[in-house]
Amino acid sequence: AQSVAQPEDQVNVAEGNPLTVKCTYSVSGNPYLFWYVQYPNRGLQFLLKYITGDNLVKGSYGFEAEFNKSQTSFHLKKPSALVSDSALYFCAVRDHGGDDKIIFGKGTRLHILP
Amino acid sequence: GAVVSQHPSWVICKSGTSVKIECRSLDFQATTMFWYRQFPKQSLMLMATSNEGSKATYEQGVEKDKFLINHASLTLSTLTVTSAHPEDSSFYICSARWDYSDTQYFGPGTRLTVL
Repeated sequence: AQSVAQPEDQVNVAEGNPLTVKCTYSVSGNPYLFWYVQYPNRGLQFLLKYITGDNLVKGSYGFEAEFNKSQTSFHLKKPSALVSDSALYFCAVRDHGGDDKIIFGKGTRLHILP
Repeated sequence: GAVVSQHPSWVICKSGTSVKIECRSLDFQATTMFWYRQFPKQSLMLMATSNEGSKATYEQGVEKDKFLINHASLTLSTLTVTSAHPEDSSFYICSARWDYSDTQYFGPGTRLTVL
């Protein structure tokens, strides 16, 4: 069965500094990996995904993530954080050989300090 | 593109009544729709998966007679919470994807409060 771990409940970063939100995963086959962002009382917005190909994936709002197969990680990164990046971030995984379901991590709350 | 809407955005109802939540894909045909429930400060819990024209597949522990899901067209799925009780109060989020797509697109969510 697939699973996702986001080891940090909260990450605090000063505005302008680089940010990293960590994610590790476990699947039996090849993973499809996703990052979503949720603002208060809103649904999830798709940021980026890794399906195959280049390990570095670029997404919306300047975010990127690097797929690392040996470490089974898919950390979300941004070179320079904005206060508006403050939100709840979810990593998710789907087993390529499995069903439609994607499994979400528990979320990491990102606080960007002005 | 890939916009999903939900209606209503919030609803308050009395215990024992039923509430219907609509999920619509606005600019694509959603062959599969998903319904999630999210408790405060927690992750999303998948309730059920529905394919257009078929019965929904419910996750373990989700009462199918309580949470009725209908996916009657390629742009609309509905979730009806029957005989709602205060413990059903939650944030309900739907998502949709089109055929052969690997990405789910989410609606803005519906906050249900049962008094």
